[in-house]
Amino acid sequence: DTEVTQTPKHLVMGMTNKKSLKCEQHMGHRAMYWYKQKAKKPPELMFVYSYEKLSINESVPSRFSPECPNSSLLNLHLHALQPEDSALYLCASSQDKQGHTEAFFGQGTRLTVV
Amino acid sequence: GDSVTQMEGPVTLSEEAFLTINCTYTATGYPSLFWYVQYPGEGLQLLLKATKADDKGSNKGFEATYRKETTSFHLEKGSVQVSDSAVYFCAFFTGTASKLTFGTGTRLQVTL
Repeated sequence: DTEVTQTPKHLVMGMTNKKSLKCEQHMGHRAMYWYKQKAKKPPELMFVYSYEKLSINESVPSRFSPECPNSSLLNLHLHALQPEDSALYLCASSQDKQGHTEAFFGQGTRLTVV
Repeated sequence: GDSVTQMEGPVTLSEEAFLTINCTYTATGYPSLFWYVQYPGEGLQLLLKATKADDKGSNKGFEATYRKETTSFHLEKGSVQVSDSAVYFCAFFTGTASKLTFGTGTRLQVTL
């Protein structure tokens, strides 16, 4: 099973709303990632968790708040977003953070901020 | 710094044509190399990988060979189908970091 599951698939939220994106994997992977992808662009790394600890934050605005409750789950809490934050948000996982194994991606959450 | 250069798209081919999508990389050391595919409205799927020089990754008729001498990892398929229409990304993890470096992506459109 090489599945990374993301919920919801689509999300529309207002600029004053608080919402959360969820990601789950059961491959025993110890590294999990959040990426943001705008149309016609490659994914851009936002956060990396390794062994449930935040190891990389790519200078992401504080209106995005990641959380890793356990080794299988990754959340992204959203608050006071801007319309320019509308994008496809992708979760990924890999066996470790040393880059020796591939990363598996979820189907993404398409976020629209109105 | 680490980077991936992919050929500009879109690439438009007729069904059963031969496909090549060029990918060259600049990296510290010899990272594992990946091709990912993204179908419309979906996430990224790992298409194939190669972990060391001269390795050939293959999947679903696609192939790519890790060429250390030319720092290239070109994607090829002998006979494309309409269902292969998608965006293809070449990628690798940077050094010991956890950051996947992607190329800009190449859109492939296959017509009947």
